[in-house]
Amino acid sequence: KQEVTQIPAALSVPEGENLVLNCSFTDSAIYNLQWFRQDPGKGLTSLLLIQSSQREQTSGRLNASLDKSSGRSTLYIAASQPGDSATYLCAVNAYNTDKLIFGTGTRLQVFP
Amino acid sequence: DAGVIQSPRHEVTEMGQEVTLRCKLISGHNSLFWYRQTMMRGLELLIYFNNNVPIDDSGMPEDRFSAKMPNASFSTLKIQPSEPRDSAVYFCASSLNRVDSGNTIYFGEGSWLTVV
Repeated sequence: KQEVTQIPAALSVPEGENLVLNCSFTDSAIYNLQWFRQDPGKGLTSLLLIQSSQREQTSGRLNASLDKSSGRSTLYIAASQPGDSATYLCAVNAYNTDKLIFGTGTRLQVFP
Repeated sequence: DAGVIQSPRHEVTEMGQEVTLRCKLISGHNSLFWYRQTMMRGLELLIYFNNNVPIDDSGMPEDRFSAKMPNASFSTLKIQPSEPRDSAVYFCASSLNRVDSGNTIYFGEGSWLTVV
């Protein structure tokens, strides 16, 4: 059974710091991995999607990497801003299914 | 497009009552997902449909839960009878096609259910 873990569960940093959020999964037979952002009281917004054949994806100040063999992904946030404060979730998608298995998230607070 | 639209946004109901949650997909999308989010268990997939057909309902907790897609753009999730342990945020999400083809999944803002 696929299990997805995210570390740390919560993170509080001053504005301007570069951050790394970690995601690990137990079954490496995944088709893709996605990172989402969830603001309080809101739904999830997809940030980055990495196919299993890819090693990383970048969007603006965000960079996500994937190491399938070790069952790990990282989300790197450069020059963090207070507007980045949210919960970040990773999710993996197994082959031949639309089912996403989510981690429990990292709650990020960036203070001015 | 207005995105995935869910109603009601908030509902408080008494134990034993029937609850119906509604979802309107993004126009043109053909995959529909119902997720439940709680502090204890995080986000769990309850059921998903592709082209109006239920593909995987293994996450539906028990017979008290049922979901339908009466047409290509609309879905309901019904709980009857409701219990306090059903209190959670219920998210609907849709995608243009199969998620395992790399298609982005779009979430609604959720229906916050409290059963007292």
